[in-house]
Amino acid sequence: EAQVTQNPRYLITVTGKKLTVTCSQNMNHEYMSWYRQDPGLGLRQIYYSMNVEVTDKGDVPEGYKVSRKEKRNFPLILESPSPNQTSLYFCASSLRQGRFEQYFGPGTRLTVT
Amino acid sequence: QKEVEQNSGPLSVPEGAIASLNCTYSDRGSQSFFWYRQYSGKSPELIMFIYSNGDKEDGRFTAQLNKASQYVSLLIRDSQPSDSATYLCAASSGSARQLTFGSGTQLTVLP
Repeated sequence: EAQVTQNPRYLITVTGKKLTVTCSQNMNHEYMSWYRQDPGLGLRQIYYSMNVEVTDKGDVPEGYKVSRKEKRNFPLILESPSPNQTSLYFCASSLRQGRFEQYFGPGTRLTVT
Repeated sequence: QKEVEQNSGPLSVPEGAIASLNCTYSDRGSQSFFWYRQYSGKSPELIMFIYSNGDKEDGRFTAQLNKASQYVSLLIRDSQPSDSATYLCAASSGSARQLTFGSGTQLTVLP
C-alpha cells in the first residue's frame, strides 16, 4: 500500500529534551516536506526537500532541523524543544518538484511541557 | 509574504444543496492550486487540483480558477453529511518549490 508513515503518532516531552520524528514514504517520491498545523493558522511549511541531500527552509524553520540521507526518509529533529513547538505535525511527499499532489502522513501530535 | 486567504466559516448547508468554498491568493506567480479535505483529527486528503483558468469537474466536485482575479473556488454539488470537514486551499509558486495553505473553511452539511 502506497503511504507516508510517521512515528511517533503522539509524544509528550519536556523543554530541552532532543527528539526526532521520523517520516518514511514507499512511493519513490522525490519531494518531501514537513508542516505544522495550529488552530487558526492552518498548515505552515517547516522544511522541504527536493531530493536526497537537498533541503531548504519553509516558512517557519526556526527550532527545527531536517536531513535527507535516503530518498524514502525525511526525519524532523527538534534539538531543544520549547512549549511553542507544541503542535500537530504532518509529513508529506509528492512525486517530484513540479507536481504538488502531496500525500500526507497521519500526523504527530507533539506536546512540549 | 505569499498568502492564501479563505473564509474560516463555519459554513452550513442542507443536505443536497451546493456548497461553495472560496479562496484568494496574493502571489501572481502561483500556477497550481489544490483543494484538500481534512476531517477532524485526520490528515489532509487531496480532492482536486487545477492549473488552468476555467472549471474542472470531478464527480460532485468542481474547481474554478480565475488567475486574473486571483481567485479559486470549490463547488460541492449534492452535499452529503459525509462532506462535513475542513477544506484547505493551497497554491504553489511558479518555481513549485513550496506549497502555501490557507487556514481552511469548516463545512457542515446538515441532514
